[in-house]
Amino acid sequence: NAGVTQTPKFQVLKTGQSMTLQCAQDMNHNSMYWYRQDPGMGLRLIYYSASEGTTDKGEVPNGYNVSRLNKREFSLRLESAAPSQTSVYFCASSGHGDTEAFFGQGTRLTVV
Amino acid sequence: AQSVTQLGSHVSVSEGALVLLRCNYSSSVPPYLFWYVQYPNQGLQLLLKYTSAATLVKGINGFEAEFKKSETSFHLTKPSAHMSDAAEYFCAVIPQGGGKLIFGQGTELSVKP
Repeated sequence: NAGVTQTPKFQVLKTGQSMTLQCAQDMNHNSMYWYRQDPGMGLRLIYYSASEGTTDKGEVPNGYNVSRLNKREFSLRLESAAPSQTSVYFCASSGHGDTEAFFGQGTRLTVV
Repeated sequence: AQSVTQLGSHVSVSEGALVLLRCNYSSSVPPYLFWYVQYPNQGLQLLLKYTSAATLVKGINGFEAEFKKSETSFHLTKPSAHMSDAAEYFCAVIPQGGGKLIFGQGTELSVKP
């Protein structure tokens, strides 16, 4: 099983450019998440989707949009990238509330 | 809103010494609690979880954690540190009724020879 697959693994953007981070899971999970990881800040939740067709803001949603295209896929879009969005982004998925979340390998994004 | 606090952003121990990483949650109803580990340049993997069955939870690689409701804590321990335990450790919570998985700030564990 592939688990959670994120693309791309690395990306450099110029300020103001847009891009979409893709995430797909093959575990039939209902819940999917996007986090950003910054030194000393842990993982901060950007957006959360409890099921297909639903999304909810997390702790740091400003500057981001998401789409839960179907049960498998959950994409994160930066409409106008800013240097403050330089970070490592992780997608995750989980089943019922007490089951573990599975993580992708991350996308290292640099905005210059 | 649900939150989780990890005391100590860096912890350094000698090989063979006790590892203690602290985690406290803030909610009146105990949530589900998790410890994840992240090795350099990798994603996160589950060490152990508390789901209101047993208060002492054993995980992988010799780690265990004890849920203490009176202290709203879920501290992670390992009796004897190994060099391979050097990594970043995250405590996380999710409400028992379902919802968002929220992480603490992380604790970087260093193990000295």
